[in-house]
Amino acid sequence: AQSVTQLDSQVPVFEEAPVELRCNYSSSVSVYLFWYVQYPNQGLQLLLKYLSGSTLVESINGFEAEFNKSQTSFHLRKPSVHISDTAEYFCAVSDPYQAGTALIFGKGTTLSVSS
Amino acid sequence: EAEVAQSPRYKITEKSQAVAFWCDPISGHATLYWYRQILGQGPELLVQFQDESVVDDSQLPKDRFSAERLKGVDSTLKIQPAELGDSAMYLCASSSGLVVGKPGELFFGEGSRLTVL
Repeated sequence: AQSVTQLDSQVPVFEEAPVELRCNYSSSVSVYLFWYVQYPNQGLQLLLKYLSGSTLVESINGFEAEFNKSQTSFHLRKPSVHISDTAEYFCAVSDPYQAGTALIFGKGTTLSVSS
Repeated sequence: EAEVAQSPRYKITEKSQAVAFWCDPISGHATLYWYRQILGQGPELLVQFQDESVVDDSQLPKDRFSAERLKGVDSTLKIQPAELGDSAMYLCASSSGLVVGKPGELFFGEGSRLTVL
């Protein structure tokens, strides 16, 4: 079965600093990869996804993630974070060969941005 | 903007009582998911529906949990009797993705937070 490991449970950073949230997945076959963000007491929102094609995917708010098949990783990065980026971030994986397959989530990384 | 609606947002109950959560997915979304998110952890799938049919309920504790989606639209998740370990956020999500190789985005509701005393 597929699994996702988020290597850092908490990442504290200062405003305007760069950040990387690490994610590794277990599958050796093709996968779809996602990053979701969750603000306090809210549901999850899709941040970005990798399905195929370019290994570098970007979100509208400055985050990017790079799919690395050889390292089975999908790390999330932002060159300069804002206070408003403080949230819980979840990496997720799904099987591209099964229609409507559910996502399998990692345990999450808490990003705390301070001034 | 279309949203996934869930109610109640918060529920406090005593152990051994029954609780129910309701979810109304985005109109036209055939796939509906119930996830459980324990504090400090990622969401874990409880049950997945395709229209009114259960696709996957392998992680649903069927001795106390039940889920239904009778008309293939809204859905109810029930716990009876509730136990202390059931305290969690219950998230509903919906998707239009039905085609292999073309996953639909999962849209999540704001969740129902359950506290069992």
